[in-house]
Amino acid sequence: DAKTTQPPSMDCAEGRAANLPCNHSTISGNEYVYWYRQIHSQGPQYIIHGLKNNETNEMASLIITEDRKSSTLILPHATLRDTAVYYCIVRVSGSARQLTFGSGTQLTVLP
Amino acid sequence: NAGVMQNPRHLVRRRGQEARLRCSPMKGHSHVYWYRQLPEEGLKFMVYLQKENIIDESGMPKERFSAEFPKEGPSILRIQQVVRGDSAAYFCASSLGTGIYNEQFFGPGTRLTVL
Repeated sequence: DAKTTQPPSMDCAEGRAANLPCNHSTISGNEYVYWYRQIHSQGPQYIIHGLKNNETNEMASLIITEDRKSSTLILPHATLRDTAVYYCIVRVSGSARQLTFGSGTQLTVLP
Repeated sequence: NAGVMQNPRHLVRRRGQEARLRCSPMKGHSHVYWYRQLPEEGLKFMVYLQKENIIDESGMPKERFSAEFPKEGPSILRIQQVVRGDSAAYFCASSLGTGIYNEQFFGPGTRLTVL
């Protein structure tokens, strides 16, 4: 699986959009970008994933650049409960293999 | 549809005892993964199982740790003769195992404390 790079920490004001970047310059054509988050002491939670088109669900939007070397997870209206570590993971589509978690980004939503 | 269930949520053992951690996957999921998170560290993969088979145990310590996923019942992660360094949060995840929508769903974890 391709290696990813994320900033170690970010702050965001409550009610504003949180934009979390991820670099994956060595991504292969059959690899998807997945995002998970881990709220303190809880199990990781799946957020969204995509291949090359932008994706949106009830939790977030995923914007993938045209060259697929980077992506941004957008939480449109961050709340205090969105404070968590966010992990960007790249893996082969349909893979039943394990997830490789990096250090992630600690997002702190401020009141 | 119940999510991934793990029990116990908290487990305290003395050095040298055995720890047994249980994981019931989501309904319809036949793939189970175990991860460990040491204090102040990231999640590390341990083992991947399908029913009655260990598919990948490359992340499991060579000694004292074992895992199973029997035909009936939950997946079990067993740690024999626990040491203080085994204190960690152990998370189980499950997935359908096929198709592009193969996201893993995680349980709440078992927090093991070794005294």
